[in-house]
Amino acid sequence: EPEVTQTPSHQVTQMGQEVILRCVPISNHLYFYWYRQILGQKVEFLVSFYNNEISEKSEIFDDQFSVERPDGSNFTLKIRSTKLEDSAMYFCASSTGVNTEAFFGQGTRLTVV
Amino acid sequence: AQRVTQPEKLLSVFKGAPVELKCNYSYSGSPELFWYVQYSRQRLQLLLRHISRESIKGFTADLNKGETSFHLKKPFAQEEDSAMYYCALKAINTDKLIFGTGTRLQVFP
Repeated sequence: EPEVTQTPSHQVTQMGQEVILRCVPISNHLYFYWYRQILGQKVEFLVSFYNNEISEKSEIFDDQFSVERPDGSNFTLKIRSTKLEDSAMYFCASSTGVNTEAFFGQGTRLTVV
Repeated sequence: AQRVTQPEKLLSVFKGAPVELKCNYSYSGSPELFWYVQYSRQRLQLLLRHISRESIKGFTADLNKGETSFHLKKPFAQEEDSAMYYCALKAINTDKLIFGTGTRLQVFP
């Protein structure tokens, strides 16, 4: 069964460093998403991406964040200068359409020290 | 503002007991509601959505617009139902999911 895969599973970085979280969505999916979950809090929407551009983003997704689909398979989330409060589990998801099921990856745990 | 509330952090029941996981939402329009489940060390996955009106793994959920609720129910809990359950809302003309804080269901033998 096809799955969304995320790498790495755990990333530790120093405050102020740039990180790139990688995702390989399911191959025939057209909509891509990033969510995050700070420990003990709810899963929060960050951004959605369709047709090579951002279709929607939340207040959390400020100028420090960017997304890219550099080739036909990867979907990346970049945090330019990490802060302690960026420590969270980051989930990638993909779907075939807006009103179809979103399939989630297993998550990348980002720890900023 | 759109919001999903799951009042219980933890719900513990014995095998065979009925289960009801509560979910209330705040949204002025007609939302689409979902239940997602995350079993131990597994990824978040869709359990059911209100427009499907189907029963998955014995679970059902009815959208009650008057009470703005979408409670998840199962008449007889099984040990393998132990997991984290998240209620989520999708508003019209948006592709983002708004999640509740989740309820951990523990089913004891």
